[in-house]
Formats: sequence, structure tokens, C-alpha cells
Amino acid sequence: DAGITQSPRHKVTETGTPVTLRCHQTENHRYMYWYRQDPGHGLRLIHYSYGVKDTDKGEVSDGYSVSRSKTEDFLLTLESATSSQTSVYFCAIRIRQGARNTEAFFGQGTRLTVV
Amino acid sequence: AQKITQTQPGMFVQEKEAVTLDCTYDTSDQSYGLFWYKQPSSGEMIFLIYQGSYDEQNATEGRYSLNFQKARKSANLVISASQLGDSAMYFCAMREGQEGGADGLTFGKGTHLIIQP
Repeated sequence: DAGITQSPRHKVTETGTPVTLRCHQTENHRYMYWYRQDPGHGLRLIHYSYGVKDTDKGEVSDGYSVSRSKTEDFLLTLESATSSQTSVYFCAIRIRQGARNTEAFFGQGTRLTVV
Repeated sequence: AQKITQTQPGMFVQEKEAVTLDCTYDTSDQSYGLFWYKQPSSGEMIFLIYQGSYDEQNATEGRYSLNFQKARKSANLVISASQLGDSAMYFCAMREGQEGGADGLTFGKGTHLIIQP
């Protein structure tokens, strides 16, 4: 599983509160990603990181911020949660397999409900 | 326009039959990669197979193969000899740009495959 852990696995929060989701990896991979999954949309990229303190926006970044202060942790923050952010959130890492870079591993997912 | 199109929302297949899941993509990049993932009912995302745009041969991984037709911009997943455990959602995805770049993936909306005994 490439040592990816997401926490928490489930969370219920109230509208307007800040929420932080954590993605932790143990194998020193450079590239990390946050996606959200909603019915009828597949997975959509929120933010990604290509190194410590190096991050960039994805397709659906509004309302989210990220931080990566050390290689192993990539944090996703909802500054003020809204009901539209109810979703399943996946972290992913890109690993080197032989000569290829592939997104081979995803975390277990975090189910977030905003009420 | 959608970058990844999966036209089969759902499929029912008899056990032991071969299955083809369709995926077409849209990109103007010359360098890109195509991926297939499986998501069982338990929710985890499982990487199945990868095809680079410059790969001349179709990728294969065990019972999975990717039928890559570059001119048609299609990357269909073929599962040989389907098993009950193959029942799941299947997602096609694409990464545009060079393989060493940081860009994330664009996913299709998925195909729900059900294998019947």
C-alpha cells in the first residue's frame, strides 16, 4: 500500500467550521495529490504537491487550501466547510516503478459530511 | 468537452467471459499517460494498468490489457476470463504532459461492472 495513511477516515462537521484532512506517507515520495469523489463525477483533482512547500491548484480548488511542510505529510484544509464539500476525499502518491512514474497508490479515503 | 469519456454507465457480464470497458480521451498533448483503476464496493482505489502515449505495444498486467488505439483516441480495458471478484466500478484516467511532470489525473465518470455467476 506504499505506506499511505489518511486521517480521519470519517468526519461529520458543521457548516462554517474549519476542517483539516491529513495524508501521511512513509516512503519519501515527491508527488502527492488530493482528489474528491462525488457521484456522477468520478474523481476530481483539488490540489497537488511536487515537493516541500511546493503546491499547486487542481480543477476544483475553490474553498480548499493545502500545506506540505515536510515530505511525509500533505494537509488539506477546508477553511469554512460548506455542504457542497460533503464528499469522499482521496490522497494519492506518484511512485517510480522501473522506468515509469505512475499514480499507483491511493489512500483509503476520508468520508466527510458537512451538516 | 470532457477529457475522458466512459460511455457505459453499467455492464452485466457472465462469469468467465471477456469484458471490454470503453474509454475515449481528448488531449492536444503529444505526451500523456492513460490509467485504469478499480474501485470495489469497499471504496479503495486500486491501480490496474498504465499506457504511455509513446508506448508502441499495448500494456498488459495479468488478466488486464489495454487496447490502445492512438488515432482513435481510445484506451479500452480488456479483462479476460472475468471473475465474480471483478465486480466493481472501473475508472479510466489521463495525465497530460511529460511523465516526469507533476500534473494530476483527469478521471472519467466510471463504469459499474457486475459479473454474474
